[in-house]
Amino acid sequence: DAGVIQSPRHEVTEMGQEVTLRCKPISGHNSLFWYRQTMMRGLELLIYFNNNVPIDDSGMPEDRFSAKMPNASFSTLKIQPSEPRDSAVYFCASSVNSATNEKLFFGSGTQLSVL
Amino acid sequence: GDSVTQMEGPVTLSEEAFLTINCTYTATGYPSLFWYVQYPGEGLQLLLKATKADDKGSNKGFEATYRKETTSFHLEKGSVQVSDSAVYFCALRGGGADGLTFGKGTHLIIQP
Repeated sequence: DAGVIQSPRHEVTEMGQEVTLRCKPISGHNSLFWYRQTMMRGLELLIYFNNNVPIDDSGMPEDRFSAKMPNASFSTLKIQPSEPRDSAVYFCASSVNSATNEKLFFGSGTQLSVL
Repeated sequence: GDSVTQMEGPVTLSEEAFLTINCTYTATGYPSLFWYVQYPGEGLQLLLKATKADDKGSNKGFEATYRKETTSFHLEKGSVQVSDSAVYFCALRGGGADGLTFGKGTHLIIQP
């Protein structure tokens, strides 16, 4: 298995632009998580899905952030409009079942820089 | 809410030194505890875990014991190698929660 696949690996954009981050979880995994990593706040859980349904989005910082999971093999995290303080590494992770399996498999992350 | 506190880094050691990275937690109920490791340019990988008090998780020479009385889960290794250089994250999964709560990470640097 290729593991959790995220794209792009690096994204540089200008303030005000729309940014879309993509994630393909491991096949057969039912839970998907989006995390943000910064030096100041460490790893923050933004949102997670069970069986394609958003369960908890309380970590999403603002309405500028939105996430979707249209099917079991694909999820997007969108920022519109982007701001410099959104610069961070965004990780996607998946697990077999969030209720019974606690091991998360992480992608390599997307390094986002908003100028 | 749940929280994890781990020692600030970077921690710099010589090869073959003894390693301890402290981790304490605050949680309701009986959480599961984890250590994840992040190598440069990669995502996090599970290193070890413990799901109940007094359990010891171990992997690749690393160990951590779930201490409920001190709400701690310190990571130890008897003899570190240069290849252990990475960022180490302590994390917990609280009862009824699905996501993990992570500490801020400790950057470990091992010098030859």
